Amino acid sequence: QKEVEQDPGPLSVPEGAIVSLNCTYSNSAFQYFMWYRQYSRKGPELLMYTYSSGNKEDGRFTAQVDKSSKYISLFIRDSQPSDSATYLCAMSEGSNYKLTFGKGTLLTVNP
Amino acid sequence: NAGVMQNPRHLVRRRGQEARLRCSPMKGHSHVYWYRQLPEEGLKFMVYLQKENIIDESGMPKERFSAEFPKEGPSILRIQQVVRGDSAAYFCASSPEAGETDTQYFGPGTRLTVL
Repeated sequence: QKEVEQDPGPLSVPEGAIVSLNCTYSNSAFQYFMWYRQYSRKGPELLMYTYSSGNKEDGRFTAQVDKSSKYISLFIRDSQPSDSATYLCAMSEGSNYKLTFGKGTLLTVNP
Repeated sequence: NAGVMQNPRHLVRRRGQEARLRCSPMKGHSHVYWYRQLPEEGLKFMVYLQKENIIDESGMPKERFSAEFPKEGPSILRIQQVVRGDSAAYFCASSPEAGETDTQYFGPGTRLTVL
């Protein structure tokens, strides 16, 4: 079993839809959880960062962490064509520690 | 504030040659991480460095790969005697001093092609 599992998609939605992206993990030592967005042939861009169970909201993005179920989610409201990218979940056991990534989910938002 | 800088952005090498990838962290960041992204694979950790020290190299292949982060200048990832399987995107990330809110910020990557 991989440490971090993420459905690679692809996921295609119409503009304005709510998007739900998910990852599960097996390492209970993971304490920090991140979501990165990666456009084609670019570097990952940090979207959300959290270190506790519960929800964290930033504009149209909401990150959700459930440590008891080892499950994290990213919700995108009112999705836009510019949101079309690969979304990577990442997690680590501590600050200034290596990140373990999911494989990424390719999202396309159609106008 | 400039972001993480990597150069070259694209590098082509023939089998057996050496590849040198450079990374300049964000201003004020003293922690550097290297990751590799193989085609159709996720990002994989390679090495974590602070100035003049390798902190964690558990993801580095045992042979041909080395990394350094000298007191002055950029961090260097060096691949000797490259093989076709080394073709990948190599990303550098940096983070500030330890703290609850520190996160890793990524550069644009170097795409290595081995012919």
